[in-house]
Amino acid sequence: AQKITQTQPGMFVQEKEAVTLDCTYDTSDQSYGLFWYKQPSSGEMIFLIYQGSYDEQNATEGRYSLNFQKARKSANLVISASQLGDSAMYFCAMREGMGNTGKLIFGQGTTLQVKP
Amino acid sequence: DVKVTQSSRYLVKRTGEKVFLECVQDMDHENMFWYRQDPGLGLRLIYFSYDVKMKEKGDIPEGYSVSREKKERFSLILESASTNQTSMYLCASSLGRGREKLFFGSGTQLSVL
Repeated sequence: AQKITQTQPGMFVQEKEAVTLDCTYDTSDQSYGLFWYKQPSSGEMIFLIYQGSYDEQNATEGRYSLNFQKARKSANLVISASQLGDSAMYFCAMREGMGNTGKLIFGQGTTLQVKP
Repeated sequence: DVKVTQSSRYLVKRTGEKVFLECVQDMDHENMFWYRQDPGLGLRLIYFSYDVKMKEKGDIPEGYSVSREKKERFSLILESASTNQTSMYLCASSLGRGREKLFFGSGTQLSVL
């Protein structure tokens, strides 16, 4: 069963507007972590933001924020004031497993294109 | 900065060949991972290792093996390459000890003909 689901294969957004990329997850663990990574056309994977399951506040990192709704098991990424350089593929991921041997499970990815 | 280095950016091999993909990290990370990335499927975990000589299967280990003889090096081995193993392979490492942020290499695009 898919544990991380990104339902939007592709998204468009106008430059300077905000955009939300959806991510839902499935886990029976009480303690888990959620991540977002960006992959530009160069192929490198860039860490954007992290949310722990016990964190009460939504995580924010500059223009990135994570809209964490635990009861709905969703962890949507919000990018404010989009820039052309935000055009990339975005992956949501969840840490599975406890302690030192946690591994990350990734979603299918969402391709974001920012229009000038 | 953490550096994760994959030995080749592009690789072309023939069906049936034995293929080695090498990955080295320079930050004394405990955990190392091999993923493959395919369009529409995202990243899927092949194998990971949380200590030298330790390995665990990920979600798609069939057709692959791994080796971790030294802490900094994690090798992915395709014993007999097949065309369905044509993919982008990404190596990653993490500090471990509950700190799971992954640092990725730049990837190896493998084509099996």
